[in-house]
Amino acid sequence: LAKTTQPISMDSYEGQEVNITCSHNNIATNDYITWYQQFPSQGPRFIIQGYKTKVTNEVASLFIPADRKSSTLSLPRVSLSDTAVYYCLVGDIGQTGANNLFFGTGTRLTVIP
Amino acid sequence: ETGVTQSPTHLIKTRGQQVTLRCSSQSGHNTVSWYQQALGQGPQFIFQYYREEENGRGNFPPRFSGLQFPNYSSELNVNALELDDSALYLCASSLAVASTDTQYFGPGTRLTVL
Repeated sequence: LAKTTQPISMDSYEGQEVNITCSHNNIATNDYITWYQQFPSQGPRFIIQGYKTKVTNEVASLFIPADRKSSTLSLPRVSLSDTAVYYCLVGDIGQTGANNLFFGTGTRLTVIP
Repeated sequence: ETGVTQSPTHLIKTRGQQVTLRCSSQSGHNTVSWYQQALGQGPQFIFQYYREEENGRGNFPPRFSGLQFPNYSSELNVNALELDDSALYLCASSLAVASTDTQYFGPGTRLTVL
């Protein structure tokens, strides 16, 4: 299973764009890249998923270079409510057929007024 | 809101006791996964059920067991509780087991073992 590496924490001022990069050097051909957001005492919430190039939805963009060994989650114009832990996950169905998610320790983003 | 609910919200047990945690998945979701999240850590996969059959298991001992029912509800049972079992327990439901099937998490049950 591909291991992911993210910065432990990041600070950003309100209104700025935030980019969180995740390394996944051992990503396999069938692996997708998924990002989740988690607020304290809540379950993780799906943000975005992609396989290659760029994916954009109403809350974020995901940039994946051609070699797919890293990915960058981009949050435009963050607000205080974006303060949370962000997890990068890489995985396929796996040998057991279960689509279980493997979380690392994530990146704790703190948005400053 | 994800449409996934869990009960109870909080629970306090003593070492050696047994506990049952409950989850109600989104209607139509055939898959439920359970995760344990210790303080300051990411969620760790316990096991997954697909159409009422266990469909994968993480590195957890047999005293962690589960059930999934036809009405989209499920249970996580933990026997012989240990202090290290204190954690936030999360369930997540998804349509099926494809890697692109988004998992929708409930708010979790905070278990404290004394």
